[in-house]
Amino acid sequence: NAGVMQNPRHLVRRRGQEARLRCSPMKGHSHVYWYRQLPEEGLKFMVYLQKENIIDESGMPKERFSAEFPKEGPSILRIQQVVRGDSAAYFCASSPGAAPSNEQFFGPGTRLTVL
Amino acid sequence: AQSVAQPEDQVNVAEGNPLTVKCTYSVSGNPYLFWYVQYPNRGLQFLLKYITGDNLVKGSYGFEAEFNKSQTSFHLKKPSALVSDSALYFCAVRGMDSSYKLIFGSGTRLLVRP
Repeated sequence: NAGVMQNPRHLVRRRGQEARLRCSPMKGHSHVYWYRQLPEEGLKFMVYLQKENIIDESGMPKERFSAEFPKEGPSILRIQQVVRGDSAAYFCASSPGAAPSNEQFFGPGTRLTVL
Repeated sequence: AQSVAQPEDQVNVAEGNPLTVKCTYSVSGNPYLFWYVQYPNRGLQFLLKYITGDNLVKGSYGFEAEFNKSQTSFHLKKPSALVSDSALYFCAVRGMDSSYKLIFGSGTRLLVRP
C-alpha cells in the first residue's frame, strides 16, 4: 500500500510564475490536508479538503492560493504569481476520516524555491 | 484556541542516555495529542498519539510519551537514545473545529552524540 505521494519533490519558479503541487493520498483515504513549513519552523495548516469539497481553507492566504481535490485524480495546490516569500516546503497529509483520533499520514513534501 | 509549545529548540543527549523532549498544550476540552518525527528533507512520520485512557503511551522506535493533565504536558521520552534518533520532533494537538487540523509546535531538534 503506497503512502502519500507528492510531486514534484522540488520545484523552482521565478517570481510571477505559477506553481502547481500535486498530492495523491493513501489508498482508501478521502481526506486531504495541506500544510506549509517555512525554514526552521513548524508546519502551519493551510486547507482541508474532501473529494470535490473544500471544508476548511482558513489557513490559506486570501490571494494567489487555491486548492482542489477532484473526484478523479490528485489534490492540487496552486500558487499564482509566486513571490519569494512563497519559498517553503509544502506537505500534504491524508486521513481515512475526519475523526479527531485519526492520525494524518504525511507525504515527502514539495520544496518550492522562488528565484 | 488550541496551541502547543515546545520550549526547547534543541536537546542534546549522549547515546545510551535517556531523552526527554518537552511539550505543553492549551486546549478547551479533552486533548488529542500527537508526536511526529522529521528526518532531513523528508516528510513527517507518526510516532504516537494520546486520545484517552492510559497516561503512558507507547509508540514507534521505542518512544513513549506521558500525558499529564494537571501540568498540561505531553513529553516524549525514550529510555536509551540512539544516534539514529537525531531528527526534528514535533508535538501537535488536534484542532476541535470541523477540520480537526493538526496544530504543531515549533519543533525540537534532537541531537544524539556517539
